Amino acid sequence: QQQVKQSPQSLIVQKGGIPIINCAYENTAFDYFPWYQQFPGKGPALLIAIRPDVSEKKEGRFTISFNKSAKQFSLHIMDSQPGDSATYFCAASVAGTASKLTFGTGTRLQVTL
Amino acid sequence: NAGVTQTPKFRILKIGQSMTLQCTQDMNHNYMYWYRQDPGMGLKLIYYSVGAGITDKGEVPNGYNVSRSTTEDFPLRLELAAPSQTSVYFCASMNGGERDYNEQFFGPGTRLTVL
Repeated sequence: QQQVKQSPQSLIVQKGGIPIINCAYENTAFDYFPWYQQFPGKGPALLIAIRPDVSEKKEGRFTISFNKSAKQFSLHIMDSQPGDSATYFCAASVAGTASKLTFGTGTRLQVTL
Repeated sequence: NAGVTQTPKFRILKIGQSMTLQCTQDMNHNYMYWYRQDPGMGLKLIYYSVGAGITDKGEVPNGYNVSRSTTEDFPLRLELAAPSQTSVYFCASMNGGERDYNEQFFGPGTRLTVL
């Protein structure tokens, strides 16, 4: 049972473009939504995270948009660079449950010159 | 700080063999986790621990066992390896607390192939 659905599976954009990755969840108890970035051969690393009491969070070129009523959240990468080429995972967890993360299936992003 | 370290990096097992994947963290984190990552499937939680002596099952625990005798170490044991256990295994740790909104730090992974 997949509780966090992520799309698209892969994405190719040109340098300077704005890739958007979308996630939808089913469990309304989720109250923490992180995004992880993974480079080939490495473990995932936290990129940015949001809680449902805000609709948007921005850190540098990375922005999370959150729509609680639609149970959706998305990652936007402004002015994308070749160094942003990686796999991105959305995730969700419920407070008080040892922060067990439910991950989406991942989006492989390639930023071309 | 080395962070989260995992050994070995790669391993090939024959069906029915056993092995232990090692995980150590030097950040004094109380929470630790084991995930497996399969192509196109994201990461699935196998087992987790909220402190020494405390472990619990995640989403996909069958075929695995864990122990947590110290804060630093959280080994994952495969008793009878099966081809379905071919995967990349990640260990993670976190400074857990009442709010549980902290970052999980991941190790570099162990790529396991069962033939």
